[in-house]
Amino acid sequence: DIVMTQSPDSLAVSLGERATINCKSSQSVLSSSNNKNNLVWYQQKPGQPPKVLIQWASTRESGVPDRFTGRGSGTDFSLTINNLQAEDVAVYYCQQYYNIPRTFGQGTKLEIK
Amino acid sequence: EVQLVESGGGLVQPGGSLRLSCAASGLSFSGYSMNWVRQAPGKGLEWISYITGSSSVIHYADSVKGRFTVSRDNAKNSVYLQMNSLRAEDTAVYYCASSYGHLNYWGQGTLVTVSS
Repeated sequence: DIVMTQSPDSLAVSLGERATINCKSSQSVLSSSNNKNNLVWYQQKPGQPPKVLIQWASTRESGVPDRFTGRGSGTDFSLTINNLQAEDVAVYYCQQYYNIPRTFGQGTKLEIK
Repeated sequence: EVQLVESGGGLVQPGGSLRLSCAASGLSFSGYSMNWVRQAPGKGLEWISYITGSSSVIHYADSVKGRFTVSRDNAKNSVYLQMNSLRAEDTAVYYCASSYGHLNYWGQGTLVTVSS
């Protein structure tokens, strides 16, 4: 199984500042067939299902503000949120869809400082 | 608009059974693989099951293998999760999610509580 490890577990950032969440996979999730990283970022707010922010490690979903940026390749990835807004308070998860089982990171709780 | 609606959750005693359903609308259902993901109270997300559009490929997490069975009925645009031999640690919100690569659409979830 591919183990996904996020850091930090929690993060407090001031409004308007930048937050960065890291995600590391125990093996590469780069697909040789399409040269894309099978890595997705979700945002989950209390009482809600996860919402897709970014797929293929760096492709923002339609409607997601451009404050959210995904980067990385192979085994090391990051999600950066610029100009933090109050509505960004949530738990963020990375997940690999390179193979089965579809493993998630443990989550990073983002709060306002 | 894509909608996934789970049902069938509730309170069940340890060792008991429960069948969850997920009704899909707004997508070409048979063209999507479907997944079940659960989230224990206050915990992270755990993928537990996957079934392809034709039901030809099925996978389970080790934590539920041999106890849970996933199936689907494309004529009814529905996917099911039969859960047997339930344990306290199966207590969670259960989500169904479609996938075309990543898990793209999610339902609101249904709560399963295993307790005596």
